Amino acid sequence: AQTVTQSQPEMSVQEAETVTLSCTYDTSENNYYLFWYKQPPSRQMILVIRQEAYKQQNATENRFSVNFQKAAKSFSLKISDSQLGDTAMYFCAFGETSGSRLTFGEGTQLTVNP
Amino acid sequence: DVKVTQSSRYLVKRTGEKVFLECVQDMDHENMFWYRQDPGLGLRLIYFSYDVKMKEKGDIPEGYSVSREKKERFSLILESASTNQTSMYLCATRGTGTGSSYEQYFGPGTRLTVT
Repeated sequence: AQTVTQSQPEMSVQEAETVTLSCTYDTSENNYYLFWYKQPPSRQMILVIRQEAYKQQNATENRFSVNFQKAAKSFSLKISDSQLGDTAMYFCAFGETSGSRLTFGEGTQLTVNP
Repeated sequence: DVKVTQSSRYLVKRTGEKVFLECVQDMDHENMFWYRQDPGLGLRLIYFSYDVKMKEKGDIPEGYSVSREKKERFSLILESASTNQTSMYLCATRGTGTGSSYEQYFGPGTRLTVT
């Protein structure tokens, strides 16, 4: 069974600064997907970024980028130029390509301070 | 855009009541999921369905059942609600086939309180 670990329950950052959220996972699969989801106070889960394990290039979406280290089974999220609207719970998730389910980490509550 | 709706944002029920949580999606997705979200535990999968009338247990199915009579609707049933089922419940969907991007699309969640 896959496991996903987010070791930082809470983090804070000043507006306009950069912050990195950590995620590690454990799997015996070679092909899989990794995701970062954001859950703001409205509770709506929103996909932030997706990484396919067979792609060596790190995914980027505007101010959001990942550092995917397949051998180390690490998948961190970097948020640049943090904005107040980035305040949310962030979840890392692992998805098998052979199935449809996702396994989620415990979540990291990020607060962006003005 | 995928739209996933859940029947209630907030729900308060009494211990022992039978509770129905409904989820409807408009994107013709084959796969639908029910999770519960608790602080410090992330999202845990209760049940999922990969087709009409098909279901599979997730990681924490005890005390729950599901129904999928139509492709667009997936119901979570608490047969006899207990206080330890007080939680946030999230429904999600995912498509299959070529072009599927594997991510799941979520509803707005139902915060259930059992007293």
